[in-house]
Amino acid sequence: EVQLVESGGGLVQPGRSLRLSCAASGFTFDDYAMHWVRQAPGKGLEWVSGISWHSDSIAYADSVKGRFTISRDNAKNSLYLQMNSLRAEDTALYYCVKGITMIVVVVQNDAFEIWGQGTMVTVSS
Amino acid sequence: EIVLTQSPGTLSLSPGERATLSCRASQSVSSSYLAWYQQKPGQAPRLLIYGASSRATGIPDRFSGSGSGTDFTLTFSRLEPEDFAVYYCQQYGSSPSITFGQGTRLEIK
Repeated sequence: EVQLVESGGGLVQPGRSLRLSCAASGFTFDDYAMHWVRQAPGKGLEWVSGISWHSDSIAYADSVKGRFTISRDNAKNSLYLQMNSLRAEDTALYYCVKGITMIVVVVQNDAFEIWGQGTMVTVSS
Repeated sequence: EIVLTQSPGTLSLSPGERATLSCRASQSVSSSYLAWYQQKPGQAPRLLIYGASSRATGIPDRFSGSGSGTDFTLTFSRLEPEDFAVYYCQQYGSSPSITFGQGTRLEIK
């Protein structure tokens, strides 16, 4: 069974940092791009960042560019999101997502096949 | 960045009826890189359709997607009680950003 389990969320003050992790299982992790998508309370979906299978294609939403860094460790079947300079508007449920396209070349050319249950990030003083 | 506008915002129908949801893009979506997701309260989204018209694994054939360019549609041939949820379209054909529509709520009449 394909499974994505996020961790690392919590309450953090504005300007501080947080690192999210996602443990993947049930599929060949290094064949697929991975993404982070967030959803603010009561709001819609917002793509945050994506990373290709070999980390050679990485992209960010403008809202997080320069503050967030996505990375992956294929040996550990894990995805990460380092979030710095957090703002109140970053408050959201963060989903780890598996892309549907095997060996995607451009990370933005990918639909989202499998979603984790999310980890909540609250930025507040 | 491509902006996706979904309509209607809310659709009230009864089980057994046919439903049509619309997603319009501010510019052409290349290669029909358009997907649809279903989200129920307290749950993660679920992929229904990708490539504008391909059903994801395990999705029943009462769901169908169509369209190209700037106009896309998700159609339910016959609504089941479990279909009442929020639906999002997504384009993934345009750099630099993947974008979602604002969602359509499908509610029981």
